[in-house]
Amino acid sequence: GAVVSQHPSWVICKSGTSVKIECRSLDFQATTMFWYRQFPKQSLMLMATSNEGSKATYEQGVEKDKFLINHASLTLSTLTVTSAHPEDSSFYICSARTGADGGTLHFGNGTRLTVT
Amino acid sequence: EDKVVQSPLSLVVHEGDTVTLNCSYEVTNFRSLLWYKQEKKAPTFLFMLTSSGIEKKSGRLSSILDKKELFSILNITATQTGDSAVYLCAVGRGSNYKLTFGKGTLLTVNP
Repeated sequence: GAVVSQHPSWVICKSGTSVKIECRSLDFQATTMFWYRQFPKQSLMLMATSNEGSKATYEQGVEKDKFLINHASLTLSTLTVTSAHPEDSSFYICSARTGADGGTLHFGNGTRLTVT
Repeated sequence: EDKVVQSPLSLVVHEGDTVTLNCSYEVTNFRSLLWYKQEKKAPTFLFMLTSSGIEKKSGRLSSILDKKELFSILNITATQTGDSAVYLCAVGRGSNYKLTFGKGTLLTVNP
């Protein structure tokens, strides 16, 4: 149980375009999902907390107009990287809590974004 | 500022060795400490610890939390090459269990 599916697993886009990443909880409902970014050889940095039916909460230093988060249902959150630039190239990972096992977060497989 | 510090940052051992990975933390509103294993993709869950002094065990892996001294250790006995990975420690805080991650320990197990 507790499967989180993330799509796409990798994407290459041109500078200036937008990219949407989907995160789905397959066998549970997630009122809260978290989006992380990981640069090479670095740890996971929390970008934002996605709340079903309300606005996302962004961490300090993360531009909310650049990283648009939508959590329209209890099983789906999306992250859109708008007007992507090469410095946005990174590994983006979503995660969700089941609620049944307290604070355990389950992660999607991540999306490798490369902006050329 | 919340901090999670892992040590060592990297470790190279031979198959069969036992390793101990360390994680110390300073966070407000502590809820839980979690260990994850990350290979090429996203982290996979190993343990969640909330109470001091209670060892959690899964096969050759075990972990324990000391809430007084604010640290946790992850032990791996009889290491195998498949244990090679980055091991991440994360601390959950606040009412929604936001996780703060350490930088990880890169473990390399040579045959």
